[in-house]
Amino acid sequence: DGGITQSPKYLFRKEGQNVTLSCEQNLNHDAMYWYRQDPGQGLRLIYYSQIVNDFQKGDIAEGYSVSREKKESFPLTVTSAQKNPTAFYLCASSPPGPSETQYFGPGTRLLVL
Amino acid sequence: DAKTTQPPSMDCAEGRAANLPCNHSTISGNEYVYWYRQIHSQGPQYIIHGLKNNETNEMASLIITEDRKSSTLILPHATLRDTAVYYCIVRAGLRGGGADGLTFGKGTHLIIQP
Repeated sequence: DGGITQSPKYLFRKEGQNVTLSCEQNLNHDAMYWYRQDPGQGLRLIYYSQIVNDFQKGDIAEGYSVSREKKESFPLTVTSAQKNPTAFYLCASSPPGPSETQYFGPGTRLLVL
Repeated sequence: DAKTTQPPSMDCAEGRAANLPCNHSTISGNEYVYWYRQIHSQGPQYIIHGLKNNETNEMASLIITEDRKSSTLILPHATLRDTAVYYCIVRAGLRGGGADGLTFGKGTHLIIQP
């Protein structure tokens, strides 16, 4: 069963702690993306990766870090430097091609206590 | 990426066609028009995309005007499960320099009425 998985669905963090959100895909897609969504707002791009061992900052990368050691995996770490981390985090991937449709995972909701 | 303008909300009766407009007057020749939707607390779902020609798939139809400055997403027989926020996005593909993510605005909240 192909698709994008994100875990966990809900994540609680104490203020000042780092936390890592998982994103895995078995679609053999080259490109992967992380977005953040705040209530009532659209999605904003945090980081993206077009190929293994390479990634680029998006519009709101401060306070976040990523790695892309495997094609299937693109974990996002929310660091203590992110001042307002409570949000809905969405991972996406896209196949190569001229239009590059993106396919999204179910999301992880992060709550800072 | 070109900017898009969508109405914040729309209502449609169940069983009727839902027509969602999008203006993208600054679209470039190499930019595609994408439509996604997001049901509450879920990840966005790809619906359809097009460049110049009208497109149809099992979910919807996309009508793009000849000058490409606007488009309409048509859900032919709306059901209650189509209630969601619908996003219209314009973006160049990788070959056109669009290597980064999609730019999501606030979209249109479509409410299907029983």
